[in-house]
Amino acid sequence: GAVVSQHPSRVICKSGTSVKIECRSLDFQATTMFWYRQFPKQSLMLMATSNEGSKATYEQGVEKDKFLINHASLTLSTLTVTSAHPEDSSFYICSASFPRSGELFFGEGSRLTVL
Amino acid sequence: GENVEQHPSTLSVQEGDSAVIKCTYSDSASNYFPWYKQELGKRPQLIIDIRSNVGEKKDQRIAVTLNKTAKHFSLHITETQPEDSAVYFCAASSNNDMRFGAGTRLTVKP
Repeated sequence: GAVVSQHPSRVICKSGTSVKIECRSLDFQATTMFWYRQFPKQSLMLMATSNEGSKATYEQGVEKDKFLINHASLTLSTLTVTSAHPEDSSFYICSASFPRSGELFFGEGSRLTVL
Repeated sequence: GENVEQHPSTLSVQEGDSAVIKCTYSDSASNYFPWYKQELGKRPQLIIDIRSNVGEKKDQRIAVTLNKTAKHFSLHITETQPEDSAVYFCAASSNNDMRFGAGTRLTVKP
């Protein structure tokens, strides 16, 4: 199947710093990518839909100034957690929508720990 | 918007038995229903999917059924093996808007 790569897989940072997570579709062009947050033993919570060349669409309750999303090309979307705090610690996963079929392929996930 | 409910939240079966996970959805416009398997700390992996023009689909030990009228779909795993142990998520999608169920933690006891 198609490959989506997410980086970094783990990041530990101090409170107040910003962290950028990258999501790349390696073998297809994805006009739409999605960002999720997953708490332990819980489901994938959609944070935002990232559309190439336009502003991301955020889900209700997700702060757009806190979680900056940039989808600058058809193969790359980035999520920046700004001024991270311990409560932002979580597992963040991206997915890319395969053209026409709409199938989703997930990145490996990024575990963020904010000290 | 779409709302997907998934049951049960946990399921424990003996190796060799069958496992069934059920989901309901609310948006009649949803037309794509994938199932994902997620092992601890890893990415969800698509295991099977079904589109709204089909009522049933099978792939070896895994099958999915869809009842559009009742807005529910189910995952069936036969001859379960310990390596089937994982969290399974159903999802429903309409126009690139995919929503996930809460997940089912399946444990297959050897």
